[in-house]
Amino acid sequence: DGGITQSPKYLFRKEGQNVTLSCEQNLNHDAMYWYRQDPGQGLRLIYYSQIVNDFQKGDIAEGYSVSREKKESFPLTVTSAQKNPTAFYLCASSRDTEAFFGQGTRLTVV
Amino acid sequence: DAKTTQPTSMDCAEGRAANLPCNHSTISGNEYVYWYRQIHSQGPQYIIHGLKNNETNEMASLIITEDRKSSTLILPHATLRDTAVYYCIVRHYNTDKLIFGTGTRLQVFP
Repeated sequence: DGGITQSPKYLFRKEGQNVTLSCEQNLNHDAMYWYRQDPGQGLRLIYYSQIVNDFQKGDIAEGYSVSREKKESFPLTVTSAQKNPTAFYLCASSRDTEAFFGQGTRLTVV
Repeated sequence: DAKTTQPTSMDCAEGRAANLPCNHSTISGNEYVYWYRQIHSQGPQYIIHGLKNNETNEMASLIITEDRKSSTLILPHATLRDTAVYYCIVRHYNTDKLIFGTGTRLQVFP
């Protein structure tokens, strides 16, 4: 079955450590996105990528980094520079008029 | 970038139609309107999308005004399982960005 897979579903890290969230899609979608969601809030765009080896900052890119070496993969690294990393992270992909989301990764930094 | 505005919350009786409005007054000609819903911090679920014509699928109907400055998502017979946060999204035609609105929390009551 085609879809978007985010892993892991829950992730715990100590403060000051970098952590990488995985997002893989087998939908042959060109564009991929990372969003952050805080409790009771909407989704805010972190980074997005339209094609391989290219990506753009969203509204809240500070403290995050991404790569797009393969069409299927768009990993997000939460660096120690991110002041409040604890949040729910969602990955999405789209092509033309289709757009689908993964089930999210809940990151807790202690 | 086109932005969307939605009411913060709405109530609807089970079995009745739920009409969720969205304002996107700065939308440009090639931008699509998408609707998603999110149930309890799962990944958002696609509902429907449209450009300028009204659309209907098995889940909902989308009514877009002639000037395209607003739209309404209609759930014809709301059930308790339709309780969720509904997001109206404008798809930027050039950059493929998915720009989320504030979302409407729909509560369906018995």
